[in-house]
Amino acid sequence: QLQLQESGPRLVKPSETLSLTCTVSGGSITSSSYYWGWIRQPPGKGLEWIGSMYYSGSTYYNPSLKSRVTISVDTSKNQFSLRLSSVTAADTAVYYCARQYYYDPSGLEYWGQGTLVTVSS
Amino acid sequence: QSVLTQPPSASGTPGQRVTISCSGSSSNIGSNAVNWYQHLPGTAPKLLIYSNNQRPSGVPDRFSASKSGTSASLAISGLQSEDEADYYCAEWDDSLNGVVFGGGTKLTVL
Repeated sequence: QLQLQESGPRLVKPSETLSLTCTVSGGSITSSSYYWGWIRQPPGKGLEWIGSMYYSGSTYYNPSLKSRVTISVDTSKNQFSLRLSSVTAADTAVYYCARQYYYDPSGLEYWGQGTLVTVSS
Repeated sequence: QSVLTQPPSASGTPGQRVTISCSGSSSNIGSNAVNWYQHLPGTAPKLLIYSNNQRPSGVPDRFSASKSGTSASLAISGLQSEDEADYYCAEWDDSLNGVVFGGGTKLTVL
């Protein structure tokens, strides 16, 4: 059974960079059939897609976040990571990583449990 | 404001049939498959319906979905108390070149 687990600091100061890692177990991140992505949910709000990557390194990002987002992969560790720069309180959210169908990236089949990241001084 | 429009709330009594709508445009629902998610508080969202109307293994057949033009809908029949959750539609948007979610519908079982 595929499992995804987010890890990283739970508290980030304004203007700094949020960094999270998603560790994948029970399957390979180098599978050609899937994208791997990040989604977030601010408190009291809906889901927002942040961006996704293919194991080869190709990426695509939410246009509203593109200037601040970097998603990268470490195939040797079966992990992929999110970096979101210049954070503000508006970036406080539960962050999820997920596996997406390659043929339909809006199909997020497996999700991590999510981690709440708070932006505060 | 979400690219996909859902009603903020819906409700029904146990045993009833409830539908949740999702309205989009030609660049998303009109040209790509719709997926639906169930999100219970404190848990990860769960893929409920993929490819417009397909249920992943383990999802009861009480859940069904359809699509017509630039709109889609999720139907839940035989409503149960455990169905109380937030429901989201999601799509690939060709114009934005990315994934878009509806704003979510909070389903209350009365």
